[in-house]
Amino acid sequence: GENVEQHPSTLSVQEGDSAVIKCTYSDSASNYFPWYKQELGKGPQLIIDIRSNVGEKKDQRIAVTLNKTAKHFSLHITETQPEDSAVYFCAAKSGGGADGLTFGKGTHLIIQP
Amino acid sequence: NAGVTQTPKFQVLKTGQSMTLQCAQDMNHNSMYWYRQDPGMGLRLIYYSASEGTTDKGEVPNGYNVSRLNKREFSLRLESAAPSQTSVYFCASSTIRDIDWSSYNSPLHFGNGTRLTVT
Repeated sequence: GENVEQHPSTLSVQEGDSAVIKCTYSDSASNYFPWYKQELGKGPQLIIDIRSNVGEKKDQRIAVTLNKTAKHFSLHITETQPEDSAVYFCAAKSGGGADGLTFGKGTHLIIQP
Repeated sequence: NAGVTQTPKFQVLKTGQSMTLQCAQDMNHNSMYWYRQDPGMGLRLIYYSASEGTTDKGEVPNGYNVSRLNKREFSLRLESAAPSQTSVYFCASSTIRDIDWSSYNSPLHFGNGTRLTVT
């Protein structure tokens, strides 16, 4: 089955700086790569996703890049703000069907004032 | 629009007790999922239901059973709770096209979780 590795486990950046979280996946058939943000006491919420036919996608201060050859995708957050502090999860889905996502282990992003 | 609602929010059980975690969604989604979240382990799929009337095992199904009661509701049952089942449980839903699934991947919508402690 699919295996998703996520790094780093904790990331501390100064407010206003950029943050980058990286994930690798094992199944070359994977074709959908979402990113979720989880705030304390809440369920994960989708913030951005990318499909395998696209190399990069942006939404305001967040962007995701995908390198299918290397089986690698990354989340980029620019001009970080205190409300960006949370746990971020990458995920991958191989093939079609409704068999759910495989998640990375999460990155705790801390924005230092 | 409530989205995905889970009950209860918190539960403490003794080893060997049983309980059912409830989940309901009001988004008319076809598919529903149960994940568990443990520190340093991310989210792991326990069971899922692709559509009403079907259920399938995920990565960590042992010790659990599920019921897809109708399109809205998907429950998770622990028949004999063990300390290893102490975790935060999340229910999620999504909608999948009936045809050409490989070209349509829907985001998962999560509930706010049930925090379960087994002593």
